[in-house]
Amino acid sequence: QSALTQPASVSGTPGQSITISCTGTSSDIGAYDYVSWYQQRPGRAPKLVIFDVSHRPSGVSNRFSGSKSGNTASLTISGLQADDEADYFCNAYTIYSQRVFGGGTRVTVL
Amino acid sequence: QVQVVESGGGVVQPGGSLRLTCAVSGFTFSRYTMHWVRQAPGKGLEWVALISYDGNNKDYADSVRGRFTVSRDNSRNTLSLQMTSLRVEDTAVYFCARDLWELLIGYYFDYWGQGTPVTVSS
Repeated sequence: QSALTQPASVSGTPGQSITISCTGTSSDIGAYDYVSWYQQRPGRAPKLVIFDVSHRPSGVSNRFSGSKSGNTASLTISGLQADDEADYFCNAYTIYSQRVFGGGTRVTVL
Repeated sequence: QVQVVESGGGVVQPGGSLRLTCAVSGFTFSRYTMHWVRQAPGKGLEWVALISYDGNNKDYADSVRGRFTVSRDNSRNTLSLQMTSLRVEDTAVYFCARDLWELLIGYYFDYWGQGTPVTVSS
């Protein structure tokens, strides 16, 4: 069982916006703003798409945005595209100096 | 360009040992903390270990502490993970990943290798 809880799947149609939630506790997401999100396409290595809750690395589309409220972080993908089909994992730093992931969310573009 | 290449994976019996290596190029290795992250078949990601850019600081996930040892050779641009007392639940693809920030022990992984598979089975 993963330390952070994500929905198993989220789907949307092209052009739509979707939001993936990531729920933790006051010991991880609620403790710091060290929250990140990773995109993983089948058979590929993960790719960092959001860090520090809401910051995008250079080269990542501005269709990806992140936020946090209390013990829950969220990733929103706007203007959904077929290329966004992938698994998405959240990650947070904990008060125990661990870096914990969520179980992952499969995004399907209908 | 940045390249990260893991090797050393294979099949090992429970209780056995294995050493993984990660070779990097395209950036100044000695300025970056490095991490190992694993992914069990069909499962999510799990952070395993880190070693600071200068090798002076190491940290491990509770699930591997005392069994795995991370090390680095900054003269050879290589990272290693020595795994002992392996368990069936250690079966996974092991990724080597670079920390996002220079000269810090950070929280994010920006460049990843393709991973090397480890199977622990009798």
